[in-house]
Amino acid sequence: GAVVSQHPSWVICKSGTSVKIECRSLDFQATTMFWYRQFPKQSLMLMATSNEGSKATYEQGVEKDKFLINHASLTLSTLTVTSAHPEDSSFYICSAPTGFNQPQHFGDGTRLSIL
Amino acid sequence: GENVEQHPSTLSVQEGDSAVIKCTYSDSASNYFPWYKQELGKRPQLIIDIRSNVGEKKDQRIAVTLNKTAKHFSLHITETQPEDSAVYFCAASTGGGNKLTFGTGTQLKVEL
Repeated sequence: GAVVSQHPSWVICKSGTSVKIECRSLDFQATTMFWYRQFPKQSLMLMATSNEGSKATYEQGVEKDKFLINHASLTLSTLTVTSAHPEDSSFYICSAPTGFNQPQHFGDGTRLSIL
Repeated sequence: GENVEQHPSTLSVQEGDSAVIKCTYSDSASNYFPWYKQELGKRPQLIIDIRSNVGEKKDQRIAVTLNKTAKHFSLHITETQPEDSAVYFCAASTGGGNKLTFGTGTQLKVEL
């Protein structure tokens, strides 16, 4: 079945550090991937839509200069949290549809803790 | 933009009973409605989805109904089991491959 791999699964780092999270589609090509953020006991909130070969589309209120997204290939999108601060601590999770008008499958998520 | 409301926020049932979770959406352009199950600390997993051209879909103990006129859709789980305990999210989108707007989630607890 469709598999979306996300790495790393857990990151603990100091305030001011930049952190890169990778999202890979393992057995299908994904021209579009999505990045969500989930705070404890809350729902998933879409941060941005990652488009292969073009700029990402950010949701209102999400700082594009802080959350850098790169989608350089059909199987890889990266999210870089720049100069992370404690309020950026959250569960970051990516998803990708397996094809046109197909369901989205999620990666395992990355738990980011900023000290 | 789309707004999805979900109720109840918590639901406790006895093993073997049925559970129903309800969602409403605001954007009449939405035509794809998936349901995800998320266990603590894990990824959301798609359990069933429905498109706007059908009113009901069933997969074993799970069913989803859709009322386009009322902009309302529901998840029905019959013969609940302890392993059904998790957080369930509804979502809406203008297509399967498009961005999802999630409901606020329902914590389902199935008690022995």
